[in-house]
Amino acid sequence: QKEVEQDPGPLSVPEGAIVSLNCTYSNSAFQYFMWYRQYSRKGPELLMYTYSSGNKEDGRFTAQVDKSSKYISLFIRDSQPSDSATYLCAMTIQGAQKLVFGQGTRLTINP
Amino acid sequence: SQTIHQWPATLVQPVGSPLSLECTVEGTSNPNLYWYRQAAGRGLQLLFYSVGIGQISSEVPQNLSASRPQDRQFILSSKKLLLSDSGFYLCAWNIQGRGYFGPGTRLTVL
Repeated sequence: QKEVEQDPGPLSVPEGAIVSLNCTYSNSAFQYFMWYRQYSRKGPELLMYTYSSGNKEDGRFTAQVDKSSKYISLFIRDSQPSDSATYLCAMTIQGAQKLVFGQGTRLTINP
Repeated sequence: SQTIHQWPATLVQPVGSPLSLECTVEGTSNPNLYWYRQAAGRGLQLLFYSVGIGQISSEVPQNLSASRPQDRQFILSSKKLLLSDSGFYLCAWNIQGRGYFGPGTRLTVL
């Protein structure tokens, strides 16, 4: 079993829809949770960073962490074609040297 | 602010040729540095990481090697490339649990 599971998609939704991207994990020691956005042929870009359970909002993006269920989500409201990208979740333990990544979900927003 | 540079951006190399990819970081000191590879349509595979000059940890056995000759310089090398070495190579650094990536080098081995 992988430490972090992420549905690779692809996921295709119409413009303006609410998008939900999810990851589950098995290691209860994970403390820091991140979402990255990667456009085609570019390096991943850190989008959201959360530490505790609960929600964190940044514009149209909301990151949600449920440590009891070992489940994290990224919600995108009012999705735009420019949101079309691969989204990767990542997590780590305080003091750890490495991040553990999900496989990434390829998202397409159709105009 | 911190910036991470990688070069070259694109590289086409014949099988059996050597490889040297360079990564440099600006705006920070003593960063943890990482090399990842991303095959087409696949996730990120951690290849090497370094917590300091001359300190290299290898994650997977392969024909690649890494070196860190200076605090903010990380180099990925190979003596003889294989077809399976093709991919998108990403350098990254980590601060307080947050990872930041460079622009990547797209390597095609023919």
